[in-house]
Amino acid sequence: QVQLQESGPGLVKPSETLSLTCTISGDSFSVYSWSSYYWSWIRQPPGKGLEWIGYIYYSGSTKYNPSLQSRVTISVDTSENQFSLKLSSVTAADTAFYYCAARTMVRGVPGDWFDPWGQGTLVTVSS
Amino acid sequence: DIQMTQSPSSLSASVGDRVTITCRASQSISTFLNWYQQKPGYAPKLLLYATSTLQTGVPSRFSGSGSGTDFTLTISSLKPEDFATYYCQQSYSTPFTFGPGTKVDFK
Repeated sequence: QVQLQESGPGLVKPSETLSLTCTISGDSFSVYSWSSYYWSWIRQPPGKGLEWIGYIYYSGSTKYNPSLQSRVTISVDTSENQFSLKLSSVTAADTAFYYCAARTMVRGVPGDWFDPWGQGTLVTVSS
Repeated sequence: DIQMTQSPSSLSASVGDRVTITCRASQSISTFLNWYQQKPGYAPKLLLYATSTLQTGVPSRFSGSGSGTDFTLTISSLKPEDFATYYCQQSYSTPFTFGPGTKVDFK
């Protein structure tokens, strides 16, 4: 089973760049596993709902939520078993729990879904 | 963007109750609909994908149905560990969007 773990600063100043890393592990994870998933970021302001930020494929292709696209960059480092999120020009509205998740697809099954998820990390934007 | 709505936003129930949560999409999403359960302090957990397929390890008291724009999540007999917030999510098109959640608490 693939496991995900977020890491990064818990406090970011307004107008600066939020940077988080998701480390992938698990006995079943190998170089062949990279192509099985689209690696995603999702956030949740405290007490509120979930917002999809974007995803990256191991090849480097990305897709972002248009609401954040101008400020978001997701990158991947297969040698380190990591993918990362950068969100620039943050404001208090970016304060949230940030989750990394694997967007999973199965041949013959319509659609895709987020599983597994990391435990999440709270990032607070404040001076 | 496809907007997802859920009803009710919250409900109070007792152990053993049958609980039904509704999710509606602003346009047809076929069966590209997933359900998640979230408990306080934890990440969401996948319950069902593609509308009605139970994720491995999820108890069979959870079931899902629907297609097009209207979907339901049913818990046939509520257990104490089921008190949580439930979210639907469409995977029909990007940006992927979630419903606002339905909180199930003790009556």
